[in-house]
Parts: sequence; structure tokens; C-alpha cells
Amino acid sequence: EAQVTQNPRYLITVTGKKLTVTCSQNMNHEYMSWYRQDPGLGLRQIYYSMNVEVTDKGDVPEGYKVSRKEKRNFPLILESPSPNQTSLYFCASSLNTYEQYFGPGTRLTVT
Amino acid sequence: QKEVEQDPGPLSVPEGAIVSLNCTYSNSAFQYFMWYRQYSRKGPELLMYTYSSGNKEDGRFTAQVDKSSKYISLFIRDSQPSDSATYLCAPYSNDYKLSFGAGTTVTVRA
Repeated sequence: EAQVTQNPRYLITVTGKKLTVTCSQNMNHEYMSWYRQDPGLGLRQIYYSMNVEVTDKGDVPEGYKVSRKEKRNFPLILESPSPNQTSLYFCASSLNTYEQYFGPGTRLTVT
Repeated sequence: QKEVEQDPGPLSVPEGAIVSLNCTYSNSAFQYFMWYRQYSRKGPELLMYTYSSGNKEDGRFTAQVDKSSKYISLFIRDSQPSDSATYLCAPYSNDYKLSFGAGTTVTVRA
């Protein structure tokens, strides 16, 4: 089954404790992206990647890092999480950059 | 002003009614106009999209884009309780990201 998977699905952590949210797709898509979803603000792009080793900032990249060492994986790294990063995070992938297919989401709470 | 404005609702309709959802946008560079459906506690699911102005129909769903007025619409005919979800418009302009509206929550009452 073609899909985007994310892990973990739920995470509660404390301020400053580094964490990684993994994202993997099995559709051989070159484009991958991370978004965060907050009430009233919709989904906003954090980072995207056009291919292996090619990443670029989206609209809200502060406090996040990404890496793209393999085509299928695009992890999101929070090196020092803060409470304002409490959000619902979605990974997406695409064959053509506009038809984006989303994962199930990771709900992160930073206390 | 947000780049994409969408009435958050909520919208409640009886089963069988036509649901009308709308977005307005400000960026004239948008070329693709996507509609996503998001069920509670799930990721957005691509419903359909149109390229440039015009209409597109897919079963009970019709998407319309009027680029002259920067207006995007989605119509759901013969609505079903399974259509109860949040609907997100998401235009795209070759800058490698979707620009999402805040989403409209729809409830179809049986």
C-alpha cells in the first residue's frame, strides 16, 4: 500500500530535550515536506526537500532541522524543543510537488 | 491579511443537501488549486484539484476556480454523514509549498 508513515504518533516531552520525528514514504517520491497544524492557523510548511541532500526552508523553519540522506526518509529534528512547538506535525511526499500526500500526523506536546 | 482565507464554519447540513465551501486568495501566482479532506485525528487526504480557472467534477464533488476574482469553491452533492470532516483549500504556486486555508468543518446530519 502506498503510504507515508510517521513515528511516533504521540509524544510528550520536556523543554530542551532533543527529539526526532521520523517520516518515511514508499512511493519513490523525490519531494518531501514537513508541515505543522495549529488551530486557526491552518497548515504551515516548516521545511521541504526536492531530493536527497537537497533541503530548503519553508515558512516557519525556526527551531527545526531536517536531513535527507535517503530518498524514502525525511526526519524532523527538534534540538531544543520549546512549548511553542507544541503542535500537530504532518509529513508529506509528492511526485510533482503539488499533489502532496500526507502522513497520519504526530501530536507533540512540549511542557 | 492571510494569503488564503476560508470560513471556518462550522457548517451543519441534513443528509442529501448540497454543501458549498469557499476560499478566497490574494496571490495571483497560484496555478493549482487543491482540496483536502481531513477526518478527526487523521492526516489531510487529497480530494481533488484543478489547474488554473474552470470546473472539475469527480463523482459528487465539483471544484470551481475563478482566477479573475481569486475565488475557489467546492460543492458536495447528495451529502452523506461520511462526508463529515474538515475541508481544506490549498492553492499552489511553484514555490514548493501548499498554502492552506484554515479549514471548514462540515457535519452532515443523518
